[in-house]
Amino acid sequence: AQSVTQPDIHITVSEGASLELRCNYSYGATPYLFWYVQSPGQGLQLLLKYFSGDTLVQGIKGFEAEFKRSQSSFNLRKPSVHWSDAAEYFCAVVFSGGYNKLIFGAGTRLAVHP
Amino acid sequence: GAGVSQSPRYKVTKRGQDVALRCDPISGHVSLYWYRQALGQGPEFLTYFNYEAQQDKSGLPNDRFSAERPEGSISTLTIQRTEQRDSAMYRCASSMSGPQETQYFGPGTRLLVL
Repeated sequence: AQSVTQPDIHITVSEGASLELRCNYSYGATPYLFWYVQSPGQGLQLLLKYFSGDTLVQGIKGFEAEFKRSQSSFNLRKPSVHWSDAAEYFCAVVFSGGYNKLIFGAGTRLAVHP
Repeated sequence: GAGVSQSPRYKVTKRGQDVALRCDPISGHVSLYWYRQALGQGPEFLTYFNYEAQQDKSGLPNDRFSAERPEGSISTLTIQRTEQRDSAMYRCASSMSGPQETQYFGPGTRLLVL
């Protein structure tokens, strides 16, 4: 079955530290890959997306993600976390032939310590 | 410009009642999606419209759930004879046509069935 796995349910980092959130998807043709962020009481906002080409993609708010085909992974990174980055982060995938529907991971909740 | 809007934002209903949730997509977006998000989980696909045509309803959990988009713009998700297990956040998203297009999410409707 097509699935997306985010292994880390909760992550806590100190402000200014680097961050990496993991995402793996079930094997198949290269899908379309997305990272969304959900702040408390807010809707989902797109951080970045990957379709083809350069496997390192830049997004908003200083985030980047790297697609690794051999690992079926699309991990999200940020060199220096700010307190305002505390939120829930969702990796999502559109698999080929999937009528554009997003398959989401369960999310990773990020807490930032001052 | 206006984003995706949803109404009501909160709905409390008694078990057995019918509810109708409304989504008003971004003007010009031909694709419209409904997702359901349980607490602590990622959004789960329900159904997808391309213009007024419902092209994928594979995620609707049972026949109590239905959706329509009669004029290719506003959409309504209806849940008949609500049950407590229907309690969740219902999210609508819209996009231009194509799997690579960004889906823009509304703020969601929080449904609580007592």
